[in-house]
Amino acid sequence: EVQLVESGGGLVQPGGSLRLSCAASGFTFSSYEMNWVRQAPGKGLEWVSYISSSGSTIYYADSVKGRFTISRDNAKNSLYLQMNSLRAEDTAVYYCARDHQDSSGWSYDAFDIWGQGTMVTVSS
Amino acid sequence: QSALTQPASVSGSPGQSITISCTGTSSDVGGYNYVSWYQQHPGKAPKLMIYDVSNRPSGVSNRFSGSKSGNTASLTISGLQAEDEADYYCSSYTSSSLWVFGGGTKLTVL
Repeated sequence: EVQLVESGGGLVQPGGSLRLSCAASGFTFSSYEMNWVRQAPGKGLEWVSYISSSGSTIYYADSVKGRFTISRDNAKNSLYLQMNSLRAEDTAVYYCARDHQDSSGWSYDAFDIWGQGTMVTVSS
Repeated sequence: QSALTQPASVSGSPGQSITISCTGTSSDVGGYNYVSWYQQHPGKAPKLMIYDVSNRPSGVSNRFSGSKSGNTASLTISGLQAEDEADYYCSSYTSSSLWVFGGGTKLTVL
């Protein structure tokens, strides 16, 4: 079964740090581009960060640039998000999401597999 | 990057068709055929329904269809069913090599 499982969320004080992990299974993780998307309580979706299959290309939303770092370990089938200088407005459920690919390996700008999410709460 | 504009809510009766709009700019929706749509039920992860404006992933009902005109994309659901009641989000690739979502639309099946 194709699956993404996030972990690492929790309660952290403003200014603190947290590292999220996303474990992939059921597909060739090293062939897929990956993303982090978040959703504040009762709010809409917000794209956070993208990483290419090799890890050589990375993008961030302006709201997290300079504070968050995305990375991956293809040998461990894992995606990470290091979050520093956390703010109250970073409070959200964080999802990892896989880029959609067709059978030929062509990648599309859409997210076809999502994890169940991990909650991050930034509060004193 | 500003969020794409969606109506806050739409409603329809079983069997009817509804359309949800998603308005952006020439830097996102209007500039690329990379609009996607997601369905999210309460407490669940989003599900990809449409990619590249009008393509359905395997397993998605053909009652769901997408289109685009200028800076506005649309999701149409025909033959509305009770299980279609959910939040729907559009998304687009942007000229800044980023991705932007719409604010979401709550679909109520009357």
